[in-house]
Amino acid sequence: QQPVQSPQAVILREGEDAVINCSSSKALYSVHWYRQKHGEAPVFLMILLKGGEQKGHEKISASFNEKKQQSSLYLTASQLSYSGTYFCGGNEKLTFGTGTRLTIIP
Amino acid sequence: AAGVIQSPRHLIKEKRETATLKCYPIPRHDTVYWYQQGPGQDPQFLISFYEKMQSDKGSIPDRFSAQQFSDYHSELNMSSLELGDSALYFCASSLGRSENIQYFGAGTRLSVL
Repeated sequence: QQPVQSPQAVILREGEDAVINCSSSKALYSVHWYRQKHGEAPVFLMILLKGGEQKGHEKISASFNEKKQQSSLYLTASQLSYSGTYFCGGNEKLTFGTGTRLTIIP
Repeated sequence: AAGVIQSPRHLIKEKRETATLKCYPIPRHDTVYWYQQGPGQDPQFLISFYEKMQSDKGSIPDRFSAQQFSDYHSELNMSSLELGDSALYFCASSLGRSENIQYFGAGTRLSVL
């Protein structure tokens, strides 16, 4: 079963903040976040590991609640380039989540 | 920096034909993953290889097979193609497994007519 993301879609004005949530019914020992623009490859944003270790971009933050098997991605002061579909993926073989389509408007 | 290279970028085949997709991982990466993304769908994991051995298997049809060669490149072989196989096929590579970042190639767009 794939992780469930919320919201499914969100429209923001440039400069606004957004939170994307990811919830899994299966045990997670790592959570990966990717952004994909239409017709392009997914681009790595963040990986969160059990124990609190994180690897990712400086301008993006995320949290990982191991007990609840949930993760959240925080996008602050959004830019036009943030538009795309965001996927969370669980564990190694990246069972991708249902996706969140983010649209940033000027 | 070198990225994951996939070839061909586009491929058009007819039903019941075969197709071979190639993936060249980032140098020194020892793990390769294959994903299939249908129109409007999220990427679905197909299969992965670590150090030339199959490490995990997802929703890969029996008509498909894959392998990783001694130079770590990988090939996805698809036989008896069906219309539903039309999709973007991504390859990703990582250094090691589990906790390591996967870097994706640009994908191969397969169209089955």
